[in-house]
Amino acid sequence: GENVEQHPSTLSVQEGDSAVIKCTYSDSASNYFPWYKQELGKGPQLIIDIRSNVGEKKDQRIAVTLNKTAKHFSLHITETQPEDSAVYFCAAKNNNNDMRFGAGTRLTVKP
Amino acid sequence: EAQVTQNPRYLITVTGKKLTVTCSQNMNHEYMSWYRQDPGLGLRQIYYSMNVEVTDKGDVPEGYKVSRKEKRNFPLILESPSPNQTSLYFCASSLTTASRGYTFGSGTRLTVV
Repeated sequence: GENVEQHPSTLSVQEGDSAVIKCTYSDSASNYFPWYKQELGKGPQLIIDIRSNVGEKKDQRIAVTLNKTAKHFSLHITETQPEDSAVYFCAAKNNNNDMRFGAGTRLTVKP
Repeated sequence: EAQVTQNPRYLITVTGKKLTVTCSQNMNHEYMSWYRQDPGLGLRQIYYSMNVEVTDKGDVPEGYKVSRKEKRNFPLILESPSPNQTSLYFCASSLTTASRGYTFGSGTRLTVV
């Protein structure tokens, strides 16, 4: 089955700097890669996603890149703000709706 | 407001006392799923349901039961809870199995003593 690894487990950046979180997956049949943001006391919320037929997607300050050959994808947050502080999860899903999550990255943006 | 509602938000119980965590969605979603979240392990799927009366085991189903008698509800049942089921539980739903991301509930923090 699918195995998703996520790095780093914790990340601390200064406000205004960029943050990058990386994930690798094992199942070449995976074709959908969402990223979730989980704030304290809340459930994960979808913030951006990418399908396997696209290499990069951007939405304001966040972007996701996908390298299908290497089976890895990354979340990029630019101009970080304190409200970006949260736990971020990557995930990979195949056509059987088998979605596997990474272990999460705790991002702290210091003012 | 479109949402997934879980109850209760917090629960402390004793070993062996049956409990049910409810999950309800108001988006007419076909697909529903239960996850548990533990430190360093991310989200692990317990059970899922592709539609009414159709349920399947996820990665960590032992000690849990579910039912899907109606489209909007997907309760998680712990017949005889044990301390290793102390965790943060999330219910999630999506329109169909081919849909993109999930909508998650706010979570249920369960402690079994």
